[in-house]
Amino acid sequence: EVQLVESGGGLVQPGGSLRLSCAASGFTFSSYWMSWVRQAPGKGLEWVANIKQDGSEKYYVDSVKGRFTISRDNVKNSLYLQMNSLRAEDTAVYYCAREGWTSGYRYFDLWGRGTLVTVSS
Amino acid sequence: AIRITQSPSSLSASTGDRVTITCRASQGISSYLAWYQQKPGKAPKLLIFAASTLQSAVPSRFSGSGSGTDFTLTISCLQSEDFATYYCQQYYSYPRTFGQGTKVEIK
Repeated sequence: EVQLVESGGGLVQPGGSLRLSCAASGFTFSSYWMSWVRQAPGKGLEWVANIKQDGSEKYYVDSVKGRFTISRDNVKNSLYLQMNSLRAEDTAVYYCAREGWTSGYRYFDLWGRGTLVTVSS
Repeated sequence: AIRITQSPSSLSASTGDRVTITCRASQGISSYLAWYQQKPGKAPKLLIFAASTLQSAVPSRFSGSGSGTDFTLTISCLQSEDFATYYCQQYYSYPRTFGQGTKVEIK
C-alpha cells in the first residue's frame, strides 16, 4: 500500500527539541521531493520545509530557519524533521507529504495522517 | 513571499448547487497552483494541479481554471461528501504558500 506514516509528536516545553519521522512505503521514496506541512489547531495549512531526492537541496519557511532541519534516509525510506528551540506557535499537526510532479509542475499528491506537536509548559 | 488570498472564507450551499471558490496571488504564478480538499480530522487530499488538471480518481464535477494571478475552483453539482474545507496552494516559488481556506457548509 502506498502510504506515509508520521511519528514522534508529543508534548514538549518551550525551548525544547523533538524529532519527527515519516516512514514511506509502497513507492520509490528516493524518486521524490518530500515536504513537511503543518496545521495549527483550527487554522490553515502552512508549508514548513522540503528536501530534494538526494538531500542536496533543502528549503524552509522563514519562521523555522535556523531551528528546524529536514533530512532523509533513502535506504530506510524515511523523512525526518529535527525541531529545536520550539515555541508555542510551533504547536500544530505536522504532515509528511510527497511532492508528485508532471511536466515541471510539483504538488502534494500523497499525505500522511499527521502527528501532533504541542509546545507548552 | 507570494500571498494567496482565497475567498470566500466560508459559504453555505445545498446539495446540487454550483459552488465557486477563488484564489488571487499577489504576483503572477503562471499555472503553478493546486487545490486540496480537507475534511475534519483528516489529511488534505489533492484535487487539481497545474491550475486545471484533475488528479486521478477525483470526480469530474470538480474543475479548476485560471492562470497568472486569478484562479477558480468550481464544484458543478455539490454532493454531500463535498462538504469540507478547500485550500489553494502555489508552487511557483519558495516558500510554498496556501490560501486561508474556504469552508463549504450545508445550508
